[in-house]
Amino acid sequence: GNSVTQMEGPVTLSEEAFLTINCTYTATGYPSLFWYVQYPGEGLQLLLKATKADDKGSNKGFEATYRKETTSFHLEKGSVQVSDSAVYFCALTSGTYKYIFGTGTRLKVLA
Amino acid sequence: EAGVVQSPRYKIIEKKQPVAFWCNPISGHNTLYWYLQNLGQGPELLIRYENEEAVDDSQLPKDRFSAERLKGVDSTLKIQPAELGDSAVYLCASSTRDRGYSGELFFGEGSRLTVL
Repeated sequence: GNSVTQMEGPVTLSEEAFLTINCTYTATGYPSLFWYVQYPGEGLQLLLKATKADDKGSNKGFEATYRKETTSFHLEKGSVQVSDSAVYFCALTSGTYKYIFGTGTRLKVLA
Repeated sequence: EAGVVQSPRYKIIEKKQPVAFWCNPISGHNTLYWYLQNLGQGPELLIRYENEEAVDDSQLPKDRFSAERLKGVDSTLKIQPAELGDSAVYLCASSTRDRGYSGELFFGEGSRLTVL
């Protein structure tokens, strides 16, 4: 069945450091891929998405590229801020309305 | 535009007691989801509604969990009786089918249940 695997956290970085959170997936067909973010005390919200191979999703300085050859959708940001501290979830949906989420990666950015 | 509203935000009950969670989706969103989120885990689907019809309830433990979506708008998720292992966050999300299956999910803040 479909699945998403993301790197375990927590990830602790200093402000302005480069961020990578790895995400790989297993899916039949051609899934759409997502990154959701959950700030403390809030619900999950969409950060970015990509719907086909080689698409790059971007938002708020974050980027992720849909790599079909490596079945990956790694999240990157060139310079993190304290306000980026949150839990990040990689997710996919493949031909249905059923979304599969990863276990989440907690990011802590220190000033 | 108001987001997805859930209540209560927090609920503490003793095991074997009943509990209910309520969700009001974004106006016009015909698809509604209930997810379970255990500590340190991602959301796991319990049930999905298209309007008032439950189209995917395969992961809902039907011996103790029930859900309804009256008139295709608000939804209620009930647990009776609650067990210690039900302690988790219950998330409601909605989306519009018009965006297809790659559409965005809009989540509420969740209802955190603690069973003692």
